[in-house]
Amino acid sequence: QLQLQESGPGLVKPSETLSLTCTVSGASTGSSSYHWGWIRQPPGKGLEWIGSGSYTGTTHYNPSLTSRVTISVDTSKNQFSLKLSSVSAADTAVYYCARRGLRPERFDYWGQGTLVTVSS
Amino acid sequence: AIQMTQSPSSLSASVGDRVTITCRASQGIGNDLGWYQQKPGKAPKLLIYDASILQSGVPSRFSGSGSGTDFTLTISSLQPEDFATFYCLQDYSYPLTFGGGTAVEIK
Repeated sequence: QLQLQESGPGLVKPSETLSLTCTVSGASTGSSSYHWGWIRQPPGKGLEWIGSGSYTGTTHYNPSLTSRVTISVDTSKNQFSLKLSSVSAADTAVYYCARRGLRPERFDYWGQGTLVTVSS
Repeated sequence: AIQMTQSPSSLSASVGDRVTITCRASQGIGNDLGWYQQKPGKAPKLLIYDASILQSGVPSRFSGSGSGTDFTLTISSLQPEDFATFYCLQDYSYPLTFGGGTAVEIK
């Protein structure tokens, strides 16, 4: 049974770097059939795609975040990660990791989400 | 970036009602559109991809249609467990973009 689980600090100080990891079980992050993505949702608001990456190192980022975001895939640990630098209160959100199937494209499996609050 | 406009932003309906939600893309996206359901405190769940293909395990009362710029999600007979917020997502080009969401509430 495929599962994704986010982990990382729930509280980050302004101007610091938010770091999250998504651990995948039941599937391989080294598969060429999938990309691995991050989506976030500020409290009471809608969904925002942050970016996606694959084991080859291919990445795609939301232009609104591209200068601050890095997504990487670690096949040895079957994990992928998100780093978002220079955070502010506007980055407070529930962060979801998800598997993106390719051809056809769709986010078919999601983690449960983790709330990250940016506050001093 | 392609903008996705969903309507309505919210609606009230009764159990058994037929419900229709629309999503309009700011440019043509073929059939590269998915629909997701999100219940409070939970992760989104994939309902439909490629505009009209039902994800495995999703009840057949959900259906999707459309291509190009105009898309529709239909729930043929609303059930108590369907009350949630629904989002469309265009998969046609980066950056991927979601619609603003439609909250389906109990009348």
